[in-house]
Formats: sequence, structure tokens, C-alpha cells
Amino acid sequence: EVQLLESGGGLVQPGGSLRLSCAASGFTFSSYAMSWVRQAPGRGLEWVSGVSDSGGSTYYAVSVKGRFTISRDKSKNTLYLQMNSLRPEDTAVYYCAKMAVPAAIFHVDIWGRGTLVIVSS
Amino acid sequence: QLVLTQSPSASASLGASVKLTCTLSSGHSNYAIAWHQQQPEKGPRYLMKVNSDGSHKKGDGIPDRFSGSSSGAERYLTISSLQSEDEADYYCQTWGTGIVTFGGGTKLTVL
Repeated sequence: EVQLLESGGGLVQPGGSLRLSCAASGFTFSSYAMSWVRQAPGRGLEWVSGVSDSGGSTYYAVSVKGRFTISRDKSKNTLYLQMNSLRPEDTAVYYCAKMAVPAAIFHVDIWGRGTLVIVSS
Repeated sequence: QLVLTQSPSASASLGASVKLTCTLSSGHSNYAIAWHQQQPEKGPRYLMKVNSDGSHKKGDGIPDRFSGSSSGAERYLTISSLQSEDEADYYCQTWGTGIVTFGGGTKLTVL
């Protein structure tokens, strides 16, 4: 069974940092691009960042560029999102998402259950 | 700019059919999109990819009641024989050079 399990969410103060992890199983992790998508309370889905199958290409939404870093470890079948300089508007459920192809930019075909990040003093 | 527009809400009766619309911004009418369903208090689930020619490919386990189609810059999701569990938010998604974008979502109420 294909599974994506996020962890690392929690409460952090504005300006702080947090690293999210996503453990993947049930598919060949190194053959597919991955993304992070977030959903603020009561709002819609917002793509945050994507990484190609090899990790060689990364992409970011304008709202997080320069503050967030996406990476992957094929030996651990794990996707990461390092979030720095966090702002209250980054408060959201963060979903790990598998893309349907190796390229980083395509559609999601598998979603994780999400991890909640709250940025507040 | 690559933008997807969806109506905020839709409603239909139990057992009936409903057609949800996702509109691509000007200059992007040949783009494919994907539809995702998010039931209350759950994570999203991928439903299908819909191409500009109207062909579509569904995700694993998606019932035959769900189908996709296209016309010009519009992409559709049709749900037939509506069931109570179809009450959910539906999002379309597309992608371009270095960017992935979602529509604002349509909240479907099953009456």
C-alpha cells in the first residue's frame, strides 16, 4: 500500500524554524517527484514546493522562496521541508504529496494525511 | 498568469448528477488539470487527470460515477448517482513552468 506519513509539525514562535519529514512507502520513492502542499485553517490548497526524482531540481512558491528548503533522502525514502523565518501566515496543515511522474512539476496522485504547523507567540 | 477559477459552492440532490467546472486562465486553454476531493476533516484524495481533449485517467479505486471532460478552457468533473459521502470540497490543479497551482475549490452539498 502506498503511504506518505508526515511528522515534525507543532507550535513555533514567529521567526523560528521547523523541519517537516515525510516517510514514503509502497512505491519506488527515487522514481517520482514529490511536493509539499499546505492548507491554512478554513482555506484552500496552496502548493509550497516541489523536488524532482533525483533531487536535482527544486521549485518554490513565491510566498516561501528564500525561507523554505525542500530536500529528499533516497536511502531513507524520506522527503523534508526545512522552514526558517516562520510567519503567522505559514500556519497550516502541511501535506506531503507524490507527483505522478519523475519531473517536479506535474499533478499529485498520492496525498499524505498532513501535519499541523502553528506559528504563534 | 496561470490561474484556475472554480465556483465556491454547488449543490445537488441524493441520487442526482452534478457537473463541477474549473476554468483555465486566458492563454492556457490547452492545459491538463487534475481533480482532487477533500471530505470533511480529511486529507485530499486524487480523483483524475483531465486532458484538453476531454480524455481522462482516474486514480486507483475511483468509482465509475466520477468522470471528466473538457470544452475550451473549461474542465469538468461530473459525479452521477450522488451519495452522501460525495459531500466534500473539490479542487482542480494544474501546472506550468516551475509552478503548480490550485483552484479555490468548490464545496459540494448533497441535499
